[in-house]
Amino acid sequence: AQRVTQPEKLLSVFKGAPVELKCNYSYSGSPELFWYVQYSRQRLQLLLRHISRESIKGFTADLNKGETSFHLKKPFAQEEDSAMYYCALLTGANNLFFGTGTRLTVIP
Amino acid sequence: DGGITQSPKYLFRKEGQNVTLSCEQNLNHDAMYWYRQDPGQGLRLIYYSQIVNDFQKGDIAEGYSVSREKKESFPLTVTSAQKNPTAFYLCASITGTSPTGELFFGEGSRLTVL
Repeated sequence: AQRVTQPEKLLSVFKGAPVELKCNYSYSGSPELFWYVQYSRQRLQLLLRHISRESIKGFTADLNKGETSFHLKKPFAQEEDSAMYYCALLTGANNLFFGTGTRLTVIP
Repeated sequence: DGGITQSPKYLFRKEGQNVTLSCEQNLNHDAMYWYRQDPGQGLRLIYYSQIVNDFQKGDIAEGYSVSREKKESFPLTVTSAQKNPTAFYLCASITGTSPTGELFFGEGSRLTVL
């Protein structure tokens, strides 16, 4: 069965500091992974997907199949990055399996 | 203005009552989903529907029912059999074509059982 683990429920960093939100997965198929973000009073929305290998709002995430990880990173955190972040794994038939989420707080 | 509309935003019900949450989308998306969001547990899939008149159970379907009579609509009924119905419910949809994985979410409905 699939599993997505986000070990940190809460993460606080100072503005300008690097930030890393951890995500590990377990899946027997070929993994496709995503990060979703929910800012205060906004809808949950896609942040980035690993197949695009893109940087969105300064965030990047590399799929490491050897370590079964998909950690989200940003070199310099900004206050507007404070939000709830979910790692998600795409399983068959367009179903997304979500982790439990990490609430990031960037301290001014 | 295209998107997903959930109603009501807030709902209170007494124990033993069924309640139906509405989800409508005008994105012409094929697949629709219902998730339950609880603190510390993330999003858990209740039901999903890939096409009209067809739907599948997710991980926590017990105590819930759905219908998909129209492409635009995917209502969720929380029945009295659901043991812990107080939660935040999210509806989402996705196009059947690429790119895959990008779910579009509604604003959610918060159900409180008194």
